[in-house]
Amino acid sequence: DAMVIQNPRYQVTQFGKPVTLSCSQTLNHNVMYWYQQKSSQAPKLLFHYYDKDFNNEADTPDNFQSRRPNTSFCFLDIRSPGLGDAAMYLCATSRATAGNSPLHFGNGTRLTVT
Amino acid sequence: AQSVTQLDSQVPVFEEAPVELRCNYSSSVSVYLFWYVQYPNQGLQLLLKYLSGSTLVKGINGFEAEFNKSQTSFHLRKPSVHISDTAEYFCAVSDGAGNKLVFGAGTILRVKS
Repeated sequence: DAMVIQNPRYQVTQFGKPVTLSCSQTLNHNVMYWYQQKSSQAPKLLFHYYDKDFNNEADTPDNFQSRRPNTSFCFLDIRSPGLGDAAMYLCATSRATAGNSPLHFGNGTRLTVT
Repeated sequence: AQSVTQLDSQVPVFEEAPVELRCNYSSSVSVYLFWYVQYPNQGLQLLLKYLSGSTLVKGINGFEAEFNKSQTSFHLRKPSVHISDTAEYFCAVSDGAGNKLVFGAGTILRVKS
């Protein structure tokens, strides 16, 4: 089955220690998104790639970076995690950025910062 | 910019009872509406979508939703819920003007036996 896969499912890092979360897709979708979801809140878009074109949300902290080396993979780098960055991180894909193109989500990576 | 209001943060309901989860959105010339479900410690899964055409949309797991343009609503319904429907449900809206998808705050459905 075509899908969006996130690794790892659970990640523990220390305060200030860089961490990378990964996402891969077999859907061959052009767009890949990273969302941050804190407890009992809606997902918050951090940024997205349309193909290799990177689009950052205005309120995404500089501490968060992303890389998309090819169509299938996308990485979220947190350069210096703080306690407030503990959250579920969701990767999603869509065929296009058009509003009628549904998102397909991975199962998320739950990040704990100690 | 679009906005979405989910009127209930939590909805408790007994097994086999009907349920309605409410969603209202801010008006736009053309809207696309979605319901996603999130089970504990998992990602979001698309339940159903309204893009155009019939205002009554059927989705997976026996859920359906009705697009009501005059009331700017897209309420989610199921005639008989199961314990396994316990999850958080997110309504989301985008439009034809290139604005990004906006999620509501979510409604936790708790099905009790």
